[in-house]
Amino acid sequence: EPEVTQTPSHQVTQMGQEVILRCVPISNHLYFYWYRQILGQKVEFLVSFYNNEISEKSEIFDDQFSVERPDGSNFTLKIRSTKLEDSAMYFCASRFTDNSYEQYFGPGTRLTVT
Amino acid sequence: GNSVTQMEGPVTLSEEAFLTINCTYTATGYPSLFWYVQYPGEGLQLLLKATKADDKGSNKGFEATYRKETTSFHLEKGSVQVSDSAVYFCALSDRGGATNKLIFGTGTLLAVQP
Repeated sequence: EPEVTQTPSHQVTQMGQEVILRCVPISNHLYFYWYRQILGQKVEFLVSFYNNEISEKSEIFDDQFSVERPDGSNFTLKIRSTKLEDSAMYFCASRFTDNSYEQYFGPGTRLTVT
Repeated sequence: GNSVTQMEGPVTLSEEAFLTINCTYTATGYPSLFWYVQYPGEGLQLLLKATKADDKGSNKGFEATYRKETTSFHLEKGSVQVSDSAVYFCALSDRGGATNKLIFGTGTLLAVQP
């Protein structure tokens, strides 16, 4: 069964460093998302991406964040200068079409900023 | 704005007990509703969904009915197992548009004891 994959599973970085989190969505899906979950808190929407552009972003998704789909398979989230409060689990998700509302999630990348 | 409210956990049950996890929502229009499950150390898995009023989603013995009149989508299972121990998230998605972002409740930790 097709699945969303994410790498790395765990990333440790120092404050101020740039990180890139990688995702490979399900191959025929058209809509892509990033969510984050700070430890013990709810899952929060960061950004959605469709047709090679951002379709919506949350207040969390400030200028330090960017997303890219550099080729036909990868979908990346970059944090330019990490802060301690960026420590969280980051989930990538994908969705097939306009008429299918369920999103399929990857296993997540745990980001630890020290 | 749209929101989801879940009963707080943790919920501790003995094996074979009946489970109910309450979920209510606030939304404009007619959202789709979902339950996701997160097993320890893993990502989010779609458990079940309902896309219109009076729909019943079901999977693995779990059920939830989309109740528009009470804006609820309570999760039930007749006989829980130890393997059902996980965090359960209720979520909604606006229908239509290029975003369809998911809005999650806070999650409910279920612990099933043998």
